[in-house]
Amino acid sequence: AQSVTQLGSHVSVSEGALVLLRCNYSSSVPPYLFWYVQYPNQGLQLLLKYTSAATLVKGINGFEAEFKKSETSFHLTKPSAHMSDAAEYFCAVRADTGRRALTFGSGTRLQVQP
Amino acid sequence: DAGVTQSPTHLIKTRGQHVTLRCSPISGHKSVSWYQQVLGQGPQFIFQYYEKEERGRGNFPDRFSARQFPNYSSELNVNALLLGDSALYLCASSLDDSSSGNTIYFGEGSWLTVV
Repeated sequence: AQSVTQLGSHVSVSEGALVLLRCNYSSSVPPYLFWYVQYPNQGLQLLLKYTSAATLVKGINGFEAEFKKSETSFHLTKPSAHMSDAAEYFCAVRADTGRRALTFGSGTRLQVQP
Repeated sequence: DAGVTQSPTHLIKTRGQHVTLRCSPISGHKSVSWYQQVLGQGPQFIFQYYEKEERGRGNFPDRFSARQFPNYSSELNVNALLLGDSALYLCASSLDDSSSGNTIYFGEGSWLTVV
């Protein structure tokens, strides 16, 4: 079974500041990990994914995430926040065997202050 | 190319009624999944279909059913609607079922309100 915990349901940063959104996972098999972003009243857009090729994954819009097996973490970062980054962010895990459904965390709402 | 398309975008139903939600995957994608997202929560897996066969089912009651058609489009049906079924229903597609590393693309969703 897989699970995801996102620490902090709300994160507020100033424009230009570092963005750090935390995600810890639990998986009995090697996981595939994803970050999705959801803008108000829209569906989910993939930011980046970890598929075991490289531990540091670069995504769209300047986001990146690092897979740390020893810490079972996959935190999302961006060096400098933009107003347009304000949205809901979801971390998700998917097993490589068995049922391949995505298991999502509860989400983190990012606010960017001017 | 069109992304995942869903219809209707919004609908209001009364308790006890039935609803059908429709989804067309990205062209060439053969796997379709459905997720329910209740306000303030992450999406929850309902069903996955691949090549018209059910490949996975989440922890939802039998009132929820789905199917996939030969053109890979899909329907989600919910019977005997409850107030708690009010949610955003997301359809997602991926190329196939060969790898969990395949990207899953989501549609804009269907907003269901049960009154």
